[in-house]
Amino acid sequence: AQSVAQPEDQVNVAEGNPLTVKCTYSVSGNPYLFWYVQYPNRGLQFLLKYITGDNLVKGSYGFEAEFNKSQTSFHLKKPSALVSDSALYFCAVRDPWGMGNTGKLIFGQGTTLQVKP
Amino acid sequence: KAGVTQTPRYLIKTRGQQVTLSCSPISGHRSVSWYQQTPGQGLQFLFEYFSETQRNKGNFPGRFSGRQFSNSRSEMNVSTLELGDSALYLCASSLGPGGDTDTQYFGPGTRLTVL
Repeated sequence: AQSVAQPEDQVNVAEGNPLTVKCTYSVSGNPYLFWYVQYPNRGLQFLLKYITGDNLVKGSYGFEAEFNKSQTSFHLKKPSALVSDSALYFCAVRDPWGMGNTGKLIFGQGTTLQVKP
Repeated sequence: KAGVTQTPRYLIKTRGQQVTLSCSPISGHRSVSWYQQTPGQGLQFLFEYFSETQRNKGNFPGRFSGRQFSNSRSEMNVSTLELGDSALYLCASSLGPGGDTDTQYFGPGTRLTVL
C-alpha cells in the first residue's frame, strides 16, 4: 500500500533563513508526489508536484521540492522563509492513471511550519 | 476561472440528524473527490466521482454517501450523525482520468459540528 510520512509535527525557523519540511514515501512503482499548504480555516492550496523528469521541482510562492529516489524522499524547501509561510503543510502521493487506479490522494499527517520574525 | 466552491461553509447539527454538503468543481473538471479532515485522523479519503460514477470509496461506514450530477457538481450525505463526524469536509476537483499530470484543487471546506 502506498504511504507518505512527515516525520516532524512542527518545524520552527527564523524569517530569512532557509526552510525544509520533510516527507518520505513508500510506493510500488513510480510515485506521483504532491505538496499542499493549508492556512487556518481554509482548504488546501496546491504548491507543487513531481510526476517525472527533473528531480528539482519548482512551485508556487518560491517553494521547491527535491525528489530523491534512493532515499524515497520528497522534501519541501524554500531559500528564505517569510512569516506569512507559517501554515500547515501536507505531502501526498497518488497512483498514476492508467493502472486501473483512481485519483485518490494519500496524505501525510502534516507538518506545522512556524516562521518567527 | 472560479475555484472549487463548497456550501455551506459551516453547519451545526445534532446527533441522529442527517446532512448534505455540496461541491461545485472548477469549470471543465469532471472528477470530484471528498476528504474528511480531523485533528486525530488527519486527511482521509471518502470517495471519488467521475462522470456521475463512483470510482473509489474510502473506509467509511455506509452512513456516508455521495453522488455526482451531469454538470459534475457533487453532493455528499451523512445520515444518523455521530459526534465523531465533526470534521472539516473537503472537496477537490480535477480534470480526471487520462492525464498523469492531473492535479486536485481543493475547496475551502465545510466545517461540520455535531452536538
